[in-house]
Amino acid sequence: AQTVTQSQPEMSVQEAETVTLSCTYDTSESDYYLFWYKQPPSRQMILVIRQEAYKQQNATENRFSVNFQKAAKSFSLKISDSQLGDAAMYFCAYRSHQNTGNQFYFGTGTSLTVIP
Amino acid sequence: NAGVTQTPKFRVLKTGQSMTLLCAQDMNHEYMYWYRQDPGMGLRLIHYSVGEGTTAKGEVPDGYNVSRLKKQNFLLGLESAAPSQTSVYFCASSAWGGGYTFGSGTRLTVV
Repeated sequence: AQTVTQSQPEMSVQEAETVTLSCTYDTSESDYYLFWYKQPPSRQMILVIRQEAYKQQNATENRFSVNFQKAAKSFSLKISDSQLGDAAMYFCAYRSHQNTGNQFYFGTGTSLTVIP
Repeated sequence: NAGVTQTPKFRVLKTGQSMTLLCAQDMNHEYMYWYRQDPGMGLRLIHYSVGEGTTAKGEVPDGYNVSRLKKQNFLLGLESAAPSQTSVYFCASSAWGGGYTFGSGTRLTVV
C-alpha cells in the first residue's frame, strides 16, 4: 500500500492570513491522483481539491491551491485569506491510476485552527 | 439529495455484542468502501467492494465482515464487538476513477 505522510498534526493561522499544509507520499507509480479532504467538526468529509499527476499545472479552487512537486513526491495545500470556517481537520489522500479497487490511501491528518 | 447514507449515526455496544452498520448510496456507484477513523491514524480501509456481490479486504479487516447483496447497499458487520473497535466508521462510494462521496459517519463505542 502507498504511504501518505502529513508531518504537521496541528497548525494555526490568523484569520485573513495564508497557511500551507504539507503532504508527502511514497509511490513507484507514474500516474496517480492526489486529493485534499476537509473534515469540519460536523464530521462530514468534504473534497477540497484534486490533482492529476500527469498535469504539470497546479490545481486551484478559489482560495485553495496546491503545490505539486512530482519529483519530490510532495503535495502541499495553501489556503489564502483564511476564514473561521476553514477550521477543520485536513486529510491528504492518494489514489493509484492502475488500482482496480480505486482505493484511497489517507494521511493521518492536520488539525487547522483559525485564530480570529 | 443524492449521496451516501449511513445508519445508525451513534451506537454503544457491550463487549461481545454484534451489530450491522448500513451504507446506502443512490448514485449508481460501482465501488463502495468502509473506513475507520481513529485519532492520529487517519482513515484506514476495512473492506471494500468493486461491484454487486463482490467484497475484498482492506488494511484492517480483522473482526469485521461485509456484504454487498445489492449494488446500492454495503453492510459492515461486527460479530463480537471489542473495545478496540471503538471508532468512527465512514462509508464511501465512487465511480471508477472518481472521487469519493462519504457518508456522515457512525460513532461506535464498545464498552
